[in-house]
Amino acid sequence: KAGVTQTPRYLIKTRGQQVTLSCSPISGHRSVSWYQQTPGQGLQFLFEYFSETQRNKGNFPGRFSGRQFSNSRSEMNVSTLELGDSALYLCASSLEGANTGELFFGEGSRLTVL
Amino acid sequence: AQSVTQLDSHVSVSEGTPVLLRCNYSSSYSPSLFWYVQHPNKGLQLLLKYTSAATLVKGINGFEAEFKKSETSFHLTKPSAHMSDAAEYFCVVSGYSGGGADGLTFGKGTHLIIQP
Repeated sequence: KAGVTQTPRYLIKTRGQQVTLSCSPISGHRSVSWYQQTPGQGLQFLFEYFSETQRNKGNFPGRFSGRQFSNSRSEMNVSTLELGDSALYLCASSLEGANTGELFFGEGSRLTVL
Repeated sequence: AQSVTQLDSHVSVSEGTPVLLRCNYSSSYSPSLFWYVQHPNKGLQLLLKYTSAATLVKGINGFEAEFKKSETSFHLTKPSAHMSDAAEYFCVVSGYSGGGADGLTFGKGTHLIIQP
């Protein structure tokens, strides 16, 4: 079966712009969680959506937001981009929820902010 | 609150020799623990998981890990390293506190280098 698909894979933005990233989970998975990966901070949990509801949220400012659609596809948005938002953004899908730890990750969207 | 510490940022071994990647955790409640692997420019892949059943957990590609509650450790081992094992490895803890799910907490990662 198809894996987790993230688009776009690479993008370059400038400070102050906004960006929207998309994630299509494995068919049948209702949970989508998002993570930010940077060399300095490592992997950090952003938020999780389960059946269109935000279930859990990490410690990130309100500029980071997300949503999930009825087909379980999810988007995350970052507004007013800062240089420090440059990172690999990973999404993961799960059948029963991110806390089970059994996650299937996409290959990520690499964001560069200039 | 929960945390996880991977004791080595880099580990270098020769092909065919054993691998040991060390992980210590802290959790208010009985945690679930996981090891993930990330190859360059790829997402993470689950290697194995511990969820309060057998303390010795076997995973994919010959890896295994032992949960030691007294030492709060969950070290990852493999008897014989292969060149394809070169990657970044993450120890992950999942748990619940009085406020509900704590979510997943990732270690900083250990970069495994395999020498030919």
